[in-house]
Amino acid sequence: QVQLRQWGAGLLKPSETLSLTCAVYGASFSDYYWTWIRQSPGKGLEWIGEVNHSGTTHSNKSLRSRVTMSVDTSTSQFSLKLNSVTAADTALYYCARGQSSLWGSEYHYYMDVWGKGTTVIVSS
Amino acid sequence: DFQMTQSPSSLSASVGDRVTITCRASQTISSHLNWYQQRPGKAPEVLIYAASALQGGVPSRFSGSGSGTDFTLTINSLQPEDFATYYCQQTYTTPWTFGQGTTVDI
Repeated sequence: QVQLRQWGAGLLKPSETLSLTCAVYGASFSDYYWTWIRQSPGKGLEWIGEVNHSGTTHSNKSLRSRVTMSVDTSTSQFSLKLNSVTAADTALYYCARGQSSLWGSEYHYYMDVWGKGTTVIVSS
Repeated sequence: DFQMTQSPSSLSASVGDRVTITCRASQTISSHLNWYQQRPGKAPEVLIYAASALQGGVPSRFSGSGSGTDFTLTINSLQPEDFATYYCQQTYTTPWTFGQGTTVDI
């Protein structure tokens, strides 16, 4: 059974760097994109970005200048760093697996396994 | 960015009811539309991908339809465990974007 376990600091001050890590269990780390999504009352669900085993990343342009995503293939872990946080970055952060499945004549992409989420609060 | 708009934002229903939720994309997304269910305090779970493909393990009372810009999630014979919030998501182009959610409650 595939599981994602995530952890990281939950309370930050403005201008600090958010750092989260997600460990993958029971799945081939090299076969997927690994995704970060956050959820806040004000913005709902927001895709932050994704990274694959070789370190190729795609990120939301709204956050790109502050986001760094990385992988450690030796431990099947991937990480998110978001610098210069403000109160607007207060949210529940999820890691998830990006799955690609063939349906009809096309591949379709969706998040099929999620971590439990990490609450991050930014407050002075 | 592609905007996803769900309606209604919330609805009240009873066990056994048939429920329909709609999702409209700001531009055509072909059938690159997914539906998720989120129960309180839990992470979202995928129900439907590719607009109409049922994810493994999801009960057959859930179904999806649509293509282009207009999509529908239908729940036949609502069960107690179905009271939750439902989100659509487009994965046609990045940034992947979600609807604002539809809460189904009693």
